[in-house]
Amino acid sequence: NAGVMQNPRHLVRRRGQEARLRCSPMKGHSHVYWYRQLPEEGLKFMVYLQKENIIDESGMPKERFSAEFPKEGPSILRIQQVVRGDSAAYFCASSRTGTGDNEQFFGPGTRLTVL
Amino acid sequence: AQSVTQPDIHITVSEGASLELRCNYSYGATPYLFWYVQSPGQGLQLLLKYFSGDTLVQGIKGFEAEFKRSQSSFNLRKPSVHWSDAAEYFCAVGLSSNTGKLIFGQGTTLQVKP
Repeated sequence: NAGVMQNPRHLVRRRGQEARLRCSPMKGHSHVYWYRQLPEEGLKFMVYLQKENIIDESGMPKERFSAEFPKEGPSILRIQQVVRGDSAAYFCASSRTGTGDNEQFFGPGTRLTVL
Repeated sequence: AQSVTQPDIHITVSEGASLELRCNYSYGATPYLFWYVQSPGQGLQLLLKYFSGDTLVQGIKGFEAEFKRSQSSFNLRKPSVHWSDAAEYFCAVGLSSNTGKLIFGQGTTLQVKP
């Protein structure tokens, strides 16, 4: 049973370019969470999605960031016009349910570097 | 606002020594509590969790944690540390009132001396 898959593992972009990060949840999981880890910091919640729906995006920056989880295919976190401050590790997690007591399984992360 | 505090940013212990990593949370009700471990360049692995019941919970790799409601704490312990335990440890809180998102502490980096 494959775990949570994320690709790419490493992504380098120049300022102003777009970054697309992909996450395939564990089999049987329909709930996906995205977290961002800045250097020397803990993980910060960004967005929670179920298939075709954004449930909670309270942690998403208001501009340039968007997320989707289509009916078919992986969840995508999209960052437009990247800036140096977007350099971070982005982790995706999936779970069976969307409640506070659910166990989230994390992917290996995508490390984004903005030059 | 809800928050999680890990007071120790770095901890160094000798191999074979005991370990305690501190975690305090701020939340009006009893939260769901988790400890995760992150090795360099890797994702997070769940060590243990507390939802209800016995306040002393056992996890993988010989770790345990104790929930103390009166102190709003959920400290992680291990009686004898191995060199392979060197990693970053995160305490996290899941709230009963929300959509399942986790609130993480800033992490504690554990270094193990031979």
